[in-house]
This record gives sequence, C-alpha cells and structure tokens, in this order.
Amino acid sequence: GALVYQYPRRTICKSGTSMRMECQAVGFQATSVAWYRQSPQKTFELIALSTVNSAIKYEQNFTQEKFPISHPNLSFSSMTVLNAYLEDRGLYLCGAGGAETLYFGSGTRLTVL
Amino acid sequence: QQKVQQSPESLTVSEGAMASLNCTFSDGTSNNFRWYRQHSAKGLEVLVSIFSDGEKEEGRFTAHLNRANLHVSLHIREPQPSDSAVYLCAVSMRPGGYKVVFGSGTRLLVSP
Repeated sequence: GALVYQYPRRTICKSGTSMRMECQAVGFQATSVAWYRQSPQKTFELIALSTVNSAIKYEQNFTQEKFPISHPNLSFSSMTVLNAYLEDRGLYLCGAGGAETLYFGSGTRLTVL
Repeated sequence: QQKVQQSPESLTVSEGAMASLNCTFSDGTSNNFRWYRQHSAKGLEVLVSIFSDGEKEEGRFTAHLNRANLHVSLHIREPQPSDSAVYLCAVSMRPGGYKVVFGSGTRLLVSP
C-alpha cells in the first residue's frame, strides 16, 4: 500500500534557528508533495505544493525564503523552517500525491523555545 | 477559493448513540471528499472517502454526500470513548487531488 513517512516526529529548536523536516513516500510515485501546517487551535493550512518538473507554488502568507522546499525525486521531499519563531510552532504535515489523491504522513511537531 | 466549514465545533454524545458531523464546501466542482480523525494533535487517520453523491460506509463510519447542496456529512454508529477526537473534513478534486482544503474540525467527546 501507499505509505508516507515523516521525520523527525518531534523536534525542538531555539528561536531564530532553522529546522529541516523530511518526507518519504513508499509504495507509490509522489509526483506532487503538499506541505501543511497546523498551528495550535487551528486547522491545517497549505504552505506550498510541489510538483516534479514544475515550480513550487506557495500559498499566500508563506514564502520560499522562509520555507524552502526540495523535491528531488518521486519518493522524497524536504522542507526547512528558516529562522523559526514562536508563531512557527505546530504540526507540519506532508501529503504525497499519487494518481488520485494525497496520502498523509504523521507529521513533524515543531516546538520553538 | 474553496472554503470548507464544519459544524458543530464540538459535540458530546453518549457511548452507543449516533454521532453526526456536518461539512459544507463552496466549490461545487469538488469531487473528492475525505473524513479524517486526529487524536490529540497527532497525525491524520483516514476514515472514509467519497467521490459521488450518495452514501459510503466504512465500518462504523458512513459518509453522505450531496454536491448540489454543497454538503457532506459523517455519521458514527455506536461511538466509543476511544472515538473521542477531532474530526476533519477534507475537500479536493480528482484526479490530481493535491490541493486539499481542510475544515476547522469538530471536536467529538464520547462519554461512557
């Protein structure tokens, strides 16, 4: 079956530092990868959608300068939270796209001290 | 831009009583609907997917879709305390349903 692994599961970083998180698709080809953030007491917001061989599309309020994404092949993607501050804390979810829909990982929980 | 709204914000039901959750969406061309469950701000558990009008059952979970009314619901039969969680409605397009829009969730509490 289609599985999506994210790591680390949890991470803590100091304010002003950066944190990289990874997403691995197993059992299918992830032609698209979507990164979401769930801030405390909120729902999941789309950060950006990456499609292989296409430009990465960032949603309003999210930028490449702050959340650079790499999607080098059909099974892997990474995203970095640069210069993290308190408002960046939350659960970051990776959704990897197969033929029909997204399969989601369990998320990376980011705590910023 | 797609807007997905869920109601109620929170719901308390007794163990064994039917729980019903609602979701409305704004884009009538949407054709990919999923209900997820999230325990204590952890990852997402897929409960049921539905793509056409009517009903889809997965175990104790049944989704009803009425695209003309821009409405999809989830009914949980014989809920248990372990079903207490946040339930999220997710809407997108097939094929290529990569831009998923989530509702704000319904917090369900099942009391023993």
